[in-house]
Amino acid sequence: EAGVVQSPRYKIIEKKQPVAFWCNPISGHNTLYWYLQNLGQGPELLIRYENEEAVDDSQLPKDRFSAERLKGVDSTLKIQPAELGDSAVYLCASSPGGGGGPTGELFFGEGSRLTVL
Amino acid sequence: GEDVEQSLFLSVREGDSSVINCTYTDSSSTYLYWYKQEPGAGLQLLTYIFSNMDMKQDQRLTVLLNKKDKHLSLRIADTQTGDSAIYFCAESLSGYSTLTFGKGTMLLVSP
Repeated sequence: EAGVVQSPRYKIIEKKQPVAFWCNPISGHNTLYWYLQNLGQGPELLIRYENEEAVDDSQLPKDRFSAERLKGVDSTLKIQPAELGDSAVYLCASSPGGGGGPTGELFFGEGSRLTVL
Repeated sequence: GEDVEQSLFLSVREGDSSVINCTYTDSSSTYLYWYKQEPGAGLQLLTYIFSNMDMKQDQRLTVLLNKKDKHLSLRIADTQTGDSAIYFCAESLSGYSTLTFGKGTMLLVSP
């Protein structure tokens, strides 16, 4: 079974440029998360989807960040315009439904590492 | 609100036991987890414990939970060089809530 797939793995852009990250969750997983991981820090939630509905986007900086999960399967996270402080790893995770279910297990992708120059 | 604290770094020799500690603030947390992150990879669930348990053992891993002190620990017996990674403690209010992660403890195992 394929795991959570993210692309691109690495992206280098200049500040003020746009960037987009793509995530394909494990087949059948209704819940999808985007987490931000700064260097030396733990993952911090940006947005959580239940199917196509964003149920928690309180930590998403909506002035420059946007996300979509139109058909309740794959998802795109966009930053426009990027700032120097956006340099980080953007992790996508999925779970069968509602949090991690009874075991709390989230399945993570390898992440997309963004460098803003 | 929820907050999870961990020590940042631990260094051990191969064959020794490792103990990674975590404290959390929300007494309502009912699920506590340990995730492992190897370099350049995403996080992977190692083990979890429910708040009504004091201890859970899974092969080389032992999780201890002290609810009174809101303290969680992960003991790895016979630590191997392949155990070198970052270990994250996480909590949630229920198995269906969003997880809150600590900053991670980097474990370095030397031969």
